[in-house]
Amino acid sequence: DGGITQSPKYLFRKEGQNVTLSCEQNLNHDAMYWYRQDPGQGLRLIYYSQIVNDFQKGDIAEGYSVSREKKESFPLTVTSAQKNPTAFYLCASSIGDRAGYSNQPQHFGDGTRLSIL
Amino acid sequence: GNSVTQMEGPVTLSEEAFLTINCTYTATGYPSLFWYVQYPGEGLQLLLKATKADDKGSNKGFEATYRKETTSFHLEKGSVQVSDSAVYFCALSDHSGGYQKVTFGTGTKLQVIP
Repeated sequence: DGGITQSPKYLFRKEGQNVTLSCEQNLNHDAMYWYRQDPGQGLRLIYYSQIVNDFQKGDIAEGYSVSREKKESFPLTVTSAQKNPTAFYLCASSIGDRAGYSNQPQHFGDGTRLSIL
Repeated sequence: GNSVTQMEGPVTLSEEAFLTINCTYTATGYPSLFWYVQYPGEGLQLLLKATKADDKGSNKGFEATYRKETTSFHLEKGSVQVSDSAVYFCALSDHSGGYQKVTFGTGTKLQVIP
């Protein structure tokens, strides 16, 4: 069954530490996204990638980094520069925007909850 | 820029009551509209979508109609169940700056009591 797998489900970060959240998809989607969810604020876009080896900053990219070396994988690193990292992080994928596919839904993983120790 | 406004929750209903969750949007161009549902501790799941004016999306007894004249996409269900308790997100999607940009509302929590 195709889907998106995020790991770990819970993650704790110490002061000054970088942590990496994993996101893998087997839907053969070109586009992948990272969102941050805070209570009462909906979802905010951190980074997105339309194709392998290419990615762009979203609305709140400061303190985060990503890579897209494989189509299936889009890991997110929360760096020590992100001073308020406690949140629920969601990874999503979609067919992409080729030939006007903006009417296609995004598919989401089950999220990673990050907290500060 | 684009924006989505949802009614604030939480919304508490008795089982078998009628549900309406209001959603209005602001967008340039012709976006597609979606409702997603999020159960506790999980990611978002697509509930229904509509891609052009006057389209009606429906799934699992939920319905929403794309109203361009009122820029709205209200979610309705005739008889809610306890299992419908979740957070519901309205979203719009369009082609912006070379990628599929999705704008989400802040979510509306629904609690259905037996």
